[in-house]
Amino acid sequence: AQTIHQWPVAEIKAVGSPLSLGCTIKGKSSPNLYWYWQATGGTLQQLFYSITVGQVESVVQLNLSASRPKDDQFILSTEKLLLSHSGFYLCAWSLGRGASDTQYFGPGTRLLVL
Amino acid sequence: AQSVDQPDAHVTLSEGASLELRCSYSYSAAPYLFWYVQYPGQSLQFLLKYITGDTVVKGTKGFEAEFRKSNSSFNLKKSPAHWSDSAKYFCALEGGGSNAKLTFGKGTKLSVKS
Repeated sequence: AQTIHQWPVAEIKAVGSPLSLGCTIKGKSSPNLYWYWQATGGTLQQLFYSITVGQVESVVQLNLSASRPKDDQFILSTEKLLLSHSGFYLCAWSLGRGASDTQYFGPGTRLLVL
Repeated sequence: AQSVDQPDAHVTLSEGASLELRCSYSYSAAPYLFWYVQYPGQSLQFLLKYITGDTVVKGTKGFEAEFRKSNSSFNLKKSPAHWSDSAKYFCALEGGGSNAKLTFGKGTKLSVKS
């Protein structure tokens, strides 16, 4: 069975500080990976997606970047946090590129920027 | 452009009643439609999806949804509702783009009173 792990569980960071969030998928080779962001009490917005190692596509510009250094790892980062970066960051995976593939979400990382 | 509308921000009902959460979408081609549930403080869990074929799809936790092309709707149903169904429910559409982007509605917060 596939498992998805995100770290850290929660972060409190200062404006202007750097950030790195991680996501690891176990039990599935070459998954499609996604980063989503959810503002507090709000809906979800896709930020990035990746279909293979070393390839990441940006969907929304939020002064964030993403990388996929390994087949099972997806990293979200920024050098300078903004207040607007606060929220819930969710990593998701799917089996392939088919549009009907179900995306399964990780436990998420809560970020508060002060 | 694609969009999802969940017109009811909050729905409250009594345990044992039937629940129906509304979802409408706008998309120029055949949509792939999903329902996810988010319990307080948790990530998203997949409930069900419509790809093609039978317009009534059954999912986990006793939920089902009916796809109606005539009025572009994909309403979620369950009978009877249980207090443990209290959560936020998100309807999502995937339009088949290369990024498999899920477009989410704003969600409906369901409260089931025992």
